[in-house]
Amino acid sequence: ETGVTQTPRHLVMGMTNKKSLKCEQHLGHNAMYWYKQSAKKPLELMFVYSLEERVENNSVPSRFSPECPNSSHLFLHLHTLQPEDSALYLCASSLGTGSHEQFFGPGTRLTVL
Amino acid sequence: DQQVKQNSPSLSVQEGRISILNCDYTNSMFDYFLWYKKYPAEGPTFLISISSIKDKNEDGRFTVFLNKSAKHLSLHIVPSQPGDSAVYFCAAVQGVGTDKLIFGTGTRLQVFP
Repeated sequence: ETGVTQTPRHLVMGMTNKKSLKCEQHLGHNAMYWYKQSAKKPLELMFVYSLEERVENNSVPSRFSPECPNSSHLFLHLHTLQPEDSALYLCASSLGTGSHEQFFGPGTRLTVL
Repeated sequence: DQQVKQNSPSLSVQEGRISILNCDYTNSMFDYFLWYKKYPAEGPTFLISISSIKDKNEDGRFTVFLNKSAKHLSLHIVPSQPGDSAVYFCAAVQGVGTDKLIFGTGTRLQVFP
């Protein structure tokens, strides 16, 4: 595997379910990010991790819970989501904070029923 | 309020001609700008960038121009090729040492034979 991978690619869940999105980067980067892209809206930064430490939480509701166990893996735990949370969730990585070029995974298309 | 705006949702250009994608921003503190390209079912991929201390950066068929006084940047692709058909996102970075990218909504470019 190369680059940034995300699983699953598609996810349908009910509002009472708990699920997790997984991201893995094979680039040796030190920073990882979660973005949300809703229809007709720009990508919105959700969380930033640098060297496994969360450095940014962009006013995201607590029903989204990130986890970064090491510099190669990033999770987004989901619980009691709302239909308006349906979106494309993208993971990205970069060499580190201050390195502007971010490398994106293919995304997880999430539908909340 | 959107700080990075791509006012043209779509653009259609004939193969071999020039494609010009535009981006406007409102925050004069932005000091670095990037263009990303996104194919369906894939994550955005970095294309080209420019620092606010420059007004032009060129990489092969791709050139980005920055007009700070007008808070405007543009991406020129010449000659355009069918493989350039994708959604193009403009992004801005605010401040040194930060990796928070502010994205526009994207412009869908279609290059036809």
